[in-house]
Amino acid sequence: DSGVTQTPKHLITATGQRVTLRCSPRSGDLSVYWYQQSLDQGLQFLIQYYNGEERAKGNILERFSAQQFPDLHSELNLSSLELGDSALYFCASSVSGALNEQFFGPGTRLTVL
Amino acid sequence: DQQVKQNSPSLSVQEGRISILNCDYTNSMFDYFLWYKKYPAEGPTFLISISSIKDKNEDGRFTVFLNKSAKHLSLHIVPSQPGDSAVYFCAAWYSGGGADGLTFGKGTHLIIQP
Repeated sequence: DSGVTQTPKHLITATGQRVTLRCSPRSGDLSVYWYQQSLDQGLQFLIQYYNGEERAKGNILERFSAQQFPDLHSELNLSSLELGDSALYFCASSVSGALNEQFFGPGTRLTVL
Repeated sequence: DQQVKQNSPSLSVQEGRISILNCDYTNSMFDYFLWYKKYPAEGPTFLISISSIKDKNEDGRFTVFLNKSAKHLSLHIVPSQPGDSAVYFCAAWYSGGGADGLTFGKGTHLIIQP
């Protein structure tokens, strides 16, 4: 158990819908990262927050948004869902933002039908 | 264009022998490399890393070798154990970027045979 929790574990929804994925970082970790793992693209960095502020942005679609709240949990919002958004979404956290100190959550599997 | 490539989707090795997982990259700006291990239904776990100023880093049974001229790195696991059966991801990063500079390969599924 990495100490990073993600809810829900599984999510099945329809095209065009909107969903919210939630991540609670390890106690004391200020930085949260979101990743998408799809069958054809592999693991891709989406976005990073540090202490409530956006720190870095990767291959995140405009239909996706995220935020980190004062209690440091983070939410990833996916809207106007398409079939191709079906993937595993991982959250990771770290104390300082160092890449070799990231701890990953178990992921949320999103299926868009 | 895939900047980090793991050309072997799977690898089968006998228990006790050496496992060698390979990774190639194309972007010469990458200066930090990481290996992650992933079990089914779990998130990736950081395993070992290497800076571009080194050519080898060792941690217990795990050693990562970096050949900058060939833009190639490899992960050696000696001796291989059943618990090493997992998917291994290679990742590369350049210090000029933030976390958005982190690029992953598609992974190699290592199977340790008893």
